[in-house]
Amino acid sequence: GAGVSQSPRYKVTKRGQDVALRCDPISGHVSLYWYRQALGQGPEFLTYFNYEAQQDKSGLPNDRFSAERPEGSISTLTIQRTEQRDSAMYRCASSFTSGLSTDTQYFGPGTRLTVL
Amino acid sequence: RKEVEQDPGPFNVPEGATVAFNCTYSNSASQSFFWYRQDCRKEPKLLMSVYSSGNEDGRFTAQLNRASQYISLLIRDSKLSDSATYLCAVSVYQGGSEKLVFGKGTKLTVNP
Repeated sequence: GAGVSQSPRYKVTKRGQDVALRCDPISGHVSLYWYRQALGQGPEFLTYFNYEAQQDKSGLPNDRFSAERPEGSISTLTIQRTEQRDSAMYRCASSFTSGLSTDTQYFGPGTRLTVL
Repeated sequence: RKEVEQDPGPFNVPEGATVAFNCTYSNSASQSFFWYRQDCRKEPKLLMSVYSSGNEDGRFTAQLNRASQYISLLIRDSKLSDSATYLCAVSVYQGGSEKLVFGKGTKLTVNP
């Protein structure tokens, strides 16, 4: 079956521009997570949705970062006024339920963001 | 102390070798523990959950030591295809929700 998909796969933008990264989770998955992964590092938690409700946004670095999941399916991570330090791989993951202890998170292929 | 720490390696081992990775965590209240595998330029994929009693899946054995706050992954009879980065992940309850904190990963190269 189809896994988690993300678009675009690569995004190059100039400093100061806004970008929107899209995540399409596995159909029927309740929970959706956004992570950022720098080279040589593990994924770093950004935010988490349970259906359409944003349950935790404690990992968002600052108020230029926001995310939404209005219908409980597709999610968009938006970065406003991008800066070079925002360059990274942004990964989305989804899971069938919201229980970390019992459920597998399936990761998408990621969006490689480069801010010039 | 970082929430989750792993030996970054790299580990270079010959085929057939046994190799072990350790991962330490700082939050004694953590309840869930996982090992993920990440191939070069690919997304992380769950390899194993780690249970208190330890668990085995073929050539892979995962163990949890709550007293010392570490988890381990043992790979026996390593294959060329085991070459990857292995990430440990630990659940942390913070701000009203549970989330995964990942280590930096340990890179393994299995040589012919």
